[in-house]
Amino acid sequence: NAGVMQNPRHLVRRRGQEARLRCSPMKGHSHVYWYRQLPEEGLKFMVYLQKENIIDESGMPKERFSAEFPKEGPSILRIQQVVRGDSAAYFCASSPDRLRANEKLFFGSGTQLSVL
Amino acid sequence: KQEVTQIPAALSVPEGENLVLNCSFTDSAIYNLQWFRQDPGKGLTSLLLIQSSQREQTSGRLNASLDKSSGRSTLYIAASQPGDSATYLCAVVDDYKLSFGAGTTVTVRA
Repeated sequence: NAGVMQNPRHLVRRRGQEARLRCSPMKGHSHVYWYRQLPEEGLKFMVYLQKENIIDESGMPKERFSAEFPKEGPSILRIQQVVRGDSAAYFCASSPDRLRANEKLFFGSGTQLSVL
Repeated sequence: KQEVTQIPAALSVPEGENLVLNCSFTDSAIYNLQWFRQDPGKGLTSLLLIQSSQREQTSGRLNASLDKSSGRSTLYIAASQPGDSATYLCAVVDDYKLSFGAGTTVTVRA
């Protein structure tokens, strides 16, 4: 049973380009969470999605960032017109249902985005 | 807004010594608290989960305590080994949302 899979592991973009980060949840999981880890900072919640629905996007920057989790395929975090400040590690986690009090959250290995 | 603080930011100990990592949080209305391990360039590995109604959890050499009223949790690692070198993250869970501390980076010297 494969864990949460993220790709690519490393992504290099020049300022102004688009970045697409993919997350395939664990088998049987239909809830996905994205977190961002800026250098020297803790992980920060970005968005919570269920299949075809955005449940909570309160942690997403208002511009340039979007996320989706289609009926088929992985969840995608999309960053348009990247800037240097977007350089960070982006982590995805999944759960079978809405996270319960006695339930651990399983994370992927992350995508390290570097903006030149 | 939940604020999570981890002290110290870094810790270096000789092999065999016990480790004590501290985590404090400002809002006691939590579902649970989780401790994670993060290795360089890798993802997060869940170590222990303490539900809000519990006082501690143990797994092997790891023991974590939770005092909700004072907003504190402590992770104890007994008889440390070089393989324990990593960054340890504390996360407070409110519903589905995790609030993380910045972590404690541990180095165990052989």
